[in-house]
Amino acid sequence: QVQLVESGGGLVKPGGSLRLSCAASGFTFSDYYMSWIRQAPGKGLEWVSYISSSGSTIYYADSVKGRFTISRDNAKNSLYLQMNSLRAEDTAVYYCARARRDGSKDYWGQGTLVTVSS
Amino acid sequence: SYELTQPLSVSVALGQTARITCGGNNIGSKNVHWYQQKPGQAPVLVIYRDSNRPSGIPERFSGSNSGNTATLTISRAQAGDEADYYCQVWDSSTAEVFGGGTKLTVL
Repeated sequence: QVQLVESGGGLVKPGGSLRLSCAASGFTFSDYYMSWIRQAPGKGLEWVSYISSSGSTIYYADSVKGRFTISRDNAKNSLYLQMNSLRAEDTAVYYCARARRDGSKDYWGQGTLVTVSS
Repeated sequence: SYELTQPLSVSVALGQTARITCGGNNIGSKNVHWYQQKPGQAPVLVIYRDSNRPSGIPERFSGSNSGNTATLTISRAQAGDEADYYCQVWDSSTAEVFGGGTKLTVL
């Protein structure tokens, strides 16, 4: 069965960095686009970034552009999010999700919490 | 940038029909997807491409999309349908966009 497992979250000081990982299993990872979506405490869903199946096409939300970098390793069935220059407003649960061709997200991980605080 | 507008909350009596709207400029020309999120859980896709249900989603969930409004309809609402619901589209100017979410209360 399809599984997405995020890791790498934790407490980091403002200005610090963190790298999130998402381990995928149960499907042919290299066939699918992938996304990161976050949810601040008590708030709604916010799309963060998106990467095509080959990694050749990448998009970022304006709120993270220039600070976050999405990448993937199809040989390792893994998705990553490198987060630099973190701010308090980046505090959220970060989900990785599998994206279908129509843009819908049919599988989500359980999320990993990132807290940016001094 | 493209924006999606959802009501903050919708209430429905047990067994009745709930309708949750998602407004956006010419949203009828886009594919709209809907997610259900219960407290402490990851979102679940309930409708894709306006009106299609993934396997395992009850037929009570349906969707439509026309003009500037997309609608998620939940028939014969049950207590277990209480959740937050989000619409989502892909837009060429903004990439992916989520609506602000609607809290459904079943009375």
